Amino acid sequence: NAGVTQTPKFRILKIGQSMTLQCTQDMNHNYMYWYRQDPGMGLKLIYYSVGAGITDKGEVPNGYNVSRSTTEDFPLRLELAAPSQTSVYFCASSYSQGAREKLFFGSGTQLSVL
Amino acid sequence: GENVEQHPSTLSVQEGDSAVIKCTYSDSASNYFPWYKQELGKRPQLIIDIRSNVGEKKDQRIAVTLNKTAKHFSLHITETQPEDSAVYFCAASMIKAAGNKLTFGGGTRVLVKP
Repeated sequence: NAGVTQTPKFRILKIGQSMTLQCTQDMNHNYMYWYRQDPGMGLKLIYYSVGAGITDKGEVPNGYNVSRSTTEDFPLRLELAAPSQTSVYFCASSYSQGAREKLFFGSGTQLSVL
Repeated sequence: GENVEQHPSTLSVQEGDSAVIKCTYSDSASNYFPWYKQELGKRPQLIIDIRSNVGEKKDQRIAVTLNKTAKHFSLHITETQPEDSAVYFCAASMIKAAGNKLTFGGGTRVLVKP
């Protein structure tokens, strides 16, 4: 059971480039989330999904897009990268029944936009 | 939306002493308050949580208290050890069918000095 797996771990982008951060989970969780963590700050919700085919915006969605074609995968797309998107990105998932409060986080993707 | 404030931002304690971190929240509808611990370079992990129908919860050296009227909650760590050194995040949400969209505080960096 790998849990929540994120790739890549590190990436440097030039301004205006695009990329996709990958996230997959093998716990059959319906709920998945993307957070960003700026240096010395808390985590802010970018997008979330309550199941395959269903996504919704969080606090800071501008500049990002997501899709959820399967239960396992929840990729985050950055279009036209900007320096303000330099951050650590965490994907997370949680149960949809029972103890659905606990978030299981991936190991994070450190992204620098230069 | 919900707003969570966390204090202090840094906390240095001597090994064996107690540490207290305080958070306030703005949305009286929030009913779930977890605490996550993030060691350097690692992913956040849930250490304890409390629901709004409970005033206090304890797990070994860690306890959380909640004051719904004042809209604040606190984390108490007793007999601190070097392995307690980490960044701690409080969070708040309203648990409902559409997932658990946590709003995080800014974090407290705790340093336990041997």
